[in-house]
Amino acid sequence: QKEVEQNSGPLSVPEGAIASLNCTYSDRGSQSFFWYRQYSGKSPELIMFIYSNGDKEDGRFTAQLNKASQYVSLLIRDSQPSDSATYLCAVRVSSGSARQLTFGSGTQLTVLP
Amino acid sequence: NAGVMQNPRHLVRRRGQEARLRCSPMKGHSHVYWYRQLPEEGLKFMVYLQKENIIDESGMPKERFSAEFPKEGPSILRIQQVVRGDSAAYFCASSPDRVQETQYFGPGTRLLVL
Repeated sequence: QKEVEQNSGPLSVPEGAIASLNCTYSDRGSQSFFWYRQYSGKSPELIMFIYSNGDKEDGRFTAQLNKASQYVSLLIRDSQPSDSATYLCAVRVSSGSARQLTFGSGTQLTVLP
Repeated sequence: NAGVMQNPRHLVRRRGQEARLRCSPMKGHSHVYWYRQLPEEGLKFMVYLQKENIIDESGMPKERFSAEFPKEGPSILRIQQVVRGDSAAYFCASSPDRVQETQYFGPGTRLLVL
């Protein structure tokens, strides 16, 4: 079983601050990395994906990937109360027929007004 | 609605009954994945299907669980003789047929076994 680890939190940040969410993975064959947001009682919603080392920015969100360190992070700038949710890191090892995502347990983020 | 569709959204069964969960992928998507989320736990992969084929069922419990994705109609996740431990949210995701495709999730089916 491939392993993806996240700090469960809860992580609290004030409104307008930068929220930093971290994820490490154990399988060096991992090729694709995803961040999903899940509100309580709802389904996961894709925020970003990243495949290559470095940073990828989309609006207030920046994903960072370091394959050598087996580390992926998500930064949320100008955090809003509506960003309060559980953030799931997911990793895919694309080998053979395997395409499933392996999820971390999620980090619960609370943005305080 | 171009998103992944799942029904029912909520399902209540008594122990020993059968549960059938349905999933229609996004238009243009030919890959379907089922995940289970137990209370206070993370999402766990169950099975990956393409039309008329089970590609990877390494996450499926060996007994009572089965899945199909027929040529016509939705994908079905079937749980026979449900037990209380089957109570969970079951999510379906779909993706297009590309190497680095992303998966988009449906709203889920919340199964409660009494």
